[in-house]
Amino acid sequence: AQTVTQSQPEMSVQEAETVTLSCTYDTSESDYYLFWYKQPPSRQMILVIRQEAYKQQNATENRFSVNFQKAAKSFSLKISDSQLGDAAMYFCAFPGGSGYALNFGKGTSLLVTP
Amino acid sequence: GAGVSQTPSNKVTEKGKYVELRCDPISGHTALYWYRQSLGQGPEFLIYFQGTGAADDSGLPNDRFFAVRPEGSVSTLKIQRTERGDSAVYLCASSLIGGSPLHFGNGTRLTVT
Repeated sequence: AQTVTQSQPEMSVQEAETVTLSCTYDTSESDYYLFWYKQPPSRQMILVIRQEAYKQQNATENRFSVNFQKAAKSFSLKISDSQLGDAAMYFCAFPGGSGYALNFGKGTSLLVTP
Repeated sequence: GAGVSQTPSNKVTEKGKYVELRCDPISGHTALYWYRQSLGQGPEFLIYFQGTGAADDSGLPNDRFFAVRPEGSVSTLKIQRTERGDSAVYLCASSLIGGSPLHFGNGTRLTVT
């Protein structure tokens, strides 16, 4: 079975500081994508960043970057210079089943304090 | 352009009733997905359409759940004989093709009383 695990139900960070959200997954595939999604109170899931497993270079999108450790099956999200608008639920996701359906972790609730 | 639109945004129904939830994807997106998100959980995959056909319906929990996409655009998720355990947020997403990044709607919150 292909599973995604987020072990941190809640995290807190001060504005302008850096925070890292953890994610581990399990798969027997060799080539795949990994995703981080953000879900604010509006409920809409927003893609934050994605990583292609065959690429050794970690993906970066502005203040968001990943630490992808393929051998360890670890995919953490680093948010630099945290802003109040970053407060949301963050979900790690990984394709399962048909390869197009995403399996999501249980999420990490990120609180940003002034 | 317009994003993924889901209607209604909230739906309250009585146990045993039939409900339909609608999803209007981004124009030109051939792939459409339905997910269910229970309180405190991540979204759970239900069904994936490529065009008009259901390419993967392995996530539908039982035969009370059914989804259609007759013209390859708008999709309707249908739930028969609703149960209190069906209460959740139902999320729809679309993508240009299967496997490309998903664009989600704001979901429909279904409450079964």
